[in-house]
Amino acid sequence: GAVVSQHPSRVICKSGTSVKIECRSLDFQATTMFWYRQFPKKSLMLMATSNEGSKATYEQGVEKDKFLINHASLTLSTLTVTSAHPEDSSFYICSARDPRGDRYNEQFFGPGTRLTVL
Amino acid sequence: AQSVTQLGSHVSVSEGALVLLRCNYSSSVPPYLFWYVQYPNQGLQLLLKYTSAATLVKGINGFEAEFKKSETSFHLTKPSAHMSDAAEYFCAVSLGTGNQFYFGTGTSLTVIP
Repeated sequence: GAVVSQHPSRVICKSGTSVKIECRSLDFQATTMFWYRQFPKKSLMLMATSNEGSKATYEQGVEKDKFLINHASLTLSTLTVTSAHPEDSSFYICSARDPRGDRYNEQFFGPGTRLTVL
Repeated sequence: AQSVTQLGSHVSVSEGALVLLRCNYSSSVPPYLFWYVQYPNQGLQLLLKYTSAATLVKGINGFEAEFKKSETSFHLTKPSAHMSDAAEYFCAVSLGTGNQFYFGTGTSLTVIP
């Protein structure tokens, strides 16, 4: 249990276009999801915390108008990179918190999405 | 403030040798601690976690870690390295239920045949 999927796994887009990445909790309801960005050979940088039915909380330095996060249901959060530029190219990973029992202190990670902006 | 320090961004061991990956944390309250493994172009997989129960935690794939409060450490070990253990390893700290994770900078493990 506690499986998280991401779609797409890879996406290539032209500069100036927008890209939507989906994060789904497949076998549990996630009241909280997290979005991370990972640069090559680097650690995960938390971008924002997404709570179902409310606005996302963005970390300092993350442009909320550029990285739109929507958590419309208990199993789906989306990250939209608007007007993407080459510097937005990165590996984006989502995670979800399973509120059941002793799993509440864990985060379950998706497989990641590789975004390449040409 | 909470933080995690992983000493050694790259560690190389021979196949069959002991694996030791170091993690020290800073936390104002008793922490929850985690080790994750990441293979290329994949997400993070939980190896093990410490959540204030037993200080010696056993995880998957033969890994274990010991929580030492006096040393603020949570080092990851495996008695005998396999080629399949080559990956990136991340240590993370959380303040507890509902709180965000703080990740270390990662340690890349290379296993030499």
